[in-house]
Amino acid sequence: GENVEQHPSTLSVQEGDSAVIKCTYSDSASNYFPWYKQELGKRPQLIIDIRSNVGEKKDQRIAVTLNKTAKHFSLHITETQPEDSAVYFCAANMNTGFQKLVFGTGTRLLVSP
Amino acid sequence: DTAVSQTPKYLVTQMGNDKSIKCEQNLGHDTMYWYKQDSKKFLKIMFSYNNKELIINETVPNRFSPKSPDKAHLNLHINSLELGDSAVYFCASSQQGAKETQYFGPGTRLLVL
Repeated sequence: GENVEQHPSTLSVQEGDSAVIKCTYSDSASNYFPWYKQELGKRPQLIIDIRSNVGEKKDQRIAVTLNKTAKHFSLHITETQPEDSAVYFCAANMNTGFQKLVFGTGTRLLVSP
Repeated sequence: DTAVSQTPKYLVTQMGNDKSIKCEQNLGHDTMYWYKQDSKKFLKIMFSYNNKELIINETVPNRFSPKSPDKAHLNLHINSLELGDSAVYFCASSQQGAKETQYFGPGTRLLVL
């Protein structure tokens, strides 16, 4: 089926710690994996994405890793700051006819000063 | 310039009414979407249009009818509103479907009383 599982649902860290959010997907044909950040009352915004031809991608304090064999990918945030507090969604494209993005259930990250 | 815009931002209405939400994108994208985000923050695709053609129609009641007058616009009309329709509705757009970044509008917060 079309499924993206995301864990944990909530994550509390101290400022400066690292945060890791994990996702697994069901469709072995998926080849595009974006991560979105949604602040309270705002729209989801892309923070990083990865395609199936690479295993890791980094952008400053944010990195994403992909394990195609195990069908899982993870978001890593280092040196967390209070402004990183938000809900984070992973997603994977599902190759059902015309592709669509299936989103994970979200992780509420709280970074305490 | 706003890339993806929606109107109205807030919509409060009575059960049984009919309402419309409008979406416009100025990114030149060929694919547009409607998503529903419920109170638990789950993001689920409802419809997708590619070059004005309906390509994805998830299990959505037929009270919901999307219309795409041109590639830059995708509107959502809802008949006979029900309490369970209360949610945030996001429009989004991308180029070439779900293989590329989707840009979200600011959302329309619908409350059905």
